[in-house]
Amino acid sequence: GESVGLHLPTLSVQEGDNSIINCAYSNSASDYFIWYKQESGKGPQFIIDIRSNMDKRQGQRVTVLLNKTVKHLSLQIAATQPGDSAVYFCAENLGDKLIFGTGTRLQVFP
Amino acid sequence: EAGVTQFPSHSVIEKGQTVTLRCDPISGHDNLYWYRRVMGKEIKFLLHFVKESKQDESGMPNNRFLAERTGGTYSTLKVQPAELEDSGVYFCASSPQRAGVQFFGPGTRLTVL
Repeated sequence: GESVGLHLPTLSVQEGDNSIINCAYSNSASDYFIWYKQESGKGPQFIIDIRSNMDKRQGQRVTVLLNKTVKHLSLQIAATQPGDSAVYFCAENLGDKLIFGTGTRLQVFP
Repeated sequence: EAGVTQFPSHSVIEKGQTVTLRCDPISGHDNLYWYRRVMGKEIKFLLHFVKESKQDESGMPNNRFLAERTGGTYSTLKVQPAELEDSGVYFCASSPQRAGVQFFGPGTRLTVL
């Protein structure tokens, strides 16, 4: 897939456990952040977003936390399922273009 | 609602040849973006259209790359002549508003031999 040659940090979790994926962003001026999930052979798929005037946002089984002081984002996935296995990217919106992080590979084992 | 579509899904060409990639955004989305991931690197921004106008092309690597969006609907990205380092996956995304969620297509994998 597209990740060949890209050395991604990997998070391995057991099915049913909670997952936490972390991301550091680079620009203090960024005011909008998005988490994407990418499965092999597919494009990035929107999961959840958050604006800089918030520090937490919840979706279905997912929560994003934003710490602007240290420029850190995290994605929490509750009750991780095999279908959650993918590469997860955070992206910061800067001047209407997205700046992507390196990505984290999530592996879910039974 | 149909998502962003891209054509072709794969393209294998020889160095020096020309390739044209096509992106059809979600209907009604004025904002269209091109990104790419080359081997071993992150996904990087190439350019942004608002309707038919280029809003930001700061990510275009050089003048071998030409993007168009005539009529403000679908977009094409032409690479001429292709070089080995152009190999990678080219993604298109669209959005109904600026600074909002961008919805991505499946990508075109380009291999230059």
